[in-house]
Amino acid sequence: DAGITQSPRHKVTETGTPVTLRCHQTENHRYMYWYRQDPGHGLRLIHYSYGVKDTDKGEVSDGYSVSRSKTEDFLLTLESATSSQTSVYFCAAGDSRSMGNTIYFGEGSWLTVV
Amino acid sequence: AQTVTQSQPEMSVQEAETVTLSCTYDTSESDYYLFWYKQPPSRQMILVIRQEAYKQQNATENRFSVNFQKAAKSFSLKISDSQLGDAAMYFCAYRGNTDKLIFGTGTRLQVFP
Repeated sequence: DAGITQSPRHKVTETGTPVTLRCHQTENHRYMYWYRQDPGHGLRLIHYSYGVKDTDKGEVSDGYSVSRSKTEDFLLTLESATSSQTSVYFCAAGDSRSMGNTIYFGEGSWLTVV
Repeated sequence: AQTVTQSQPEMSVQEAETVTLSCTYDTSESDYYLFWYKQPPSRQMILVIRQEAYKQQNATENRFSVNFQKAAKSFSLKISDSQLGDAAMYFCAYRGNTDKLIFGTGTRLQVFP
């Protein structure tokens, strides 16, 4: 945790609807990350941010967008949810490798798309 | 792109025994960090140990130690005196110049009494 909260923690939504997951951190970390966790795949990086309004794609970014307008918030949006996006989503935050190099994780958000 | 491979989907160990979890990675970078994370059934991600690539000495944290072989791009985790509370998913992870944190697919460790 280390001051990282995700909301909502659980959500059921219908196919085709937009969904936004929020990650909020209180420790002024520069880097923030969104992952999805699926059986047999571990944690796969969706998007990450290296500063306010600075984001980059991860390995599974299709169908997802992100925004970071403030240091403390990193939003993950599914523009039109599909069943393949049913997953557990983790947010993480941390500093550069020269500044402690510890990445802290939120508790996860369970998303079910029906 | 960097990749992390964990070839053991599941491992088991008897309580008080020692077990080693394997991890290999692929990178062309010379300056990077490697991590082992533990994920118990609660799904909380817990940092177990980390290794800096430029340090030749293997990292140790209590019962947890690593065998870092930079030339072979290998980073295994040894758990000594295994305890029931060590049962969890274990993930190997890489952090390089882009500061992305890349994970392997994980190894599920079972501990038997």
